[in-house]
Amino acid sequence: ILNVEQSPQSLHVQEGDSTNFTCSFPSSNFYALHWYRWETAKSPEALFVMTLNGDEKKKGRISATLNTKEGYSYLYIKGSQPEDSATYLCALYNNNDMRFGAGTRLTVKP
Amino acid sequence: NAGVMQNPRHLVRRRGQEARLRCSPMKGHSHVYWYRQLPEEGLKFMVYLQKENIIDESGMPKERFSAEFPKEGPSILRIQQVVRGDSAAYFCASSPPETGIFVAEAFFGQGTRLTVV
Repeated sequence: ILNVEQSPQSLHVQEGDSTNFTCSFPSSNFYALHWYRWETAKSPEALFVMTLNGDEKKKGRISATLNTKEGYSYLYIKGSQPEDSATYLCALYNNNDMRFGAGTRLTVKP
Repeated sequence: NAGVMQNPRHLVRRRGQEARLRCSPMKGHSHVYWYRQLPEEGLKFMVYLQKENIIDESGMPKERFSAEFPKEGPSILRIQQVVRGDSAAYFCASSPPETGIFVAEAFFGQGTRLTVV
């Protein structure tokens, strides 16, 4: 059974703050890790697909790193803006299976 | 290329009725996943299907719930004799075949919000 853990469960930051959160997963038989951004009343949208240990991906102010040996990925948001408020989900792909963490709910206050 | 289409967007059922949720994957996608989001919770895996095959249904309740993905037509998540606890948002996602699902993005539908009254 794939067990994907995300922390913290929720996060409140001020506009302009930088923040990061964690996705932890079993390191054995790793294939890929995805990060998704999920706004209320919309469907999740893919941010990054990460496959190699040491991968770093960046999209604007959002970046992510991957450590497959220890089983974690970090998502960073630099200079948070109110429009970054969303739930950030990570999903582990392993042997034709995709499992999501419960997400980190980010609220950015103006 | 239309995205993943789910219908209906909202579904109200009385206790004991059947609910049928439909998911049309993106064109060319043959992998479909169903997820349930209970109020104040994240996405919970239910079932993974490929065309005409259930690959993994370990997240689906053993009773009253079933899923199919026929050769033609959308994937259907069926809930028989619904109860209040079935009220949730149900999302499906699709991804393409053969490219290695583990490197392809999954695309989500907008979800079906089921309310059992």
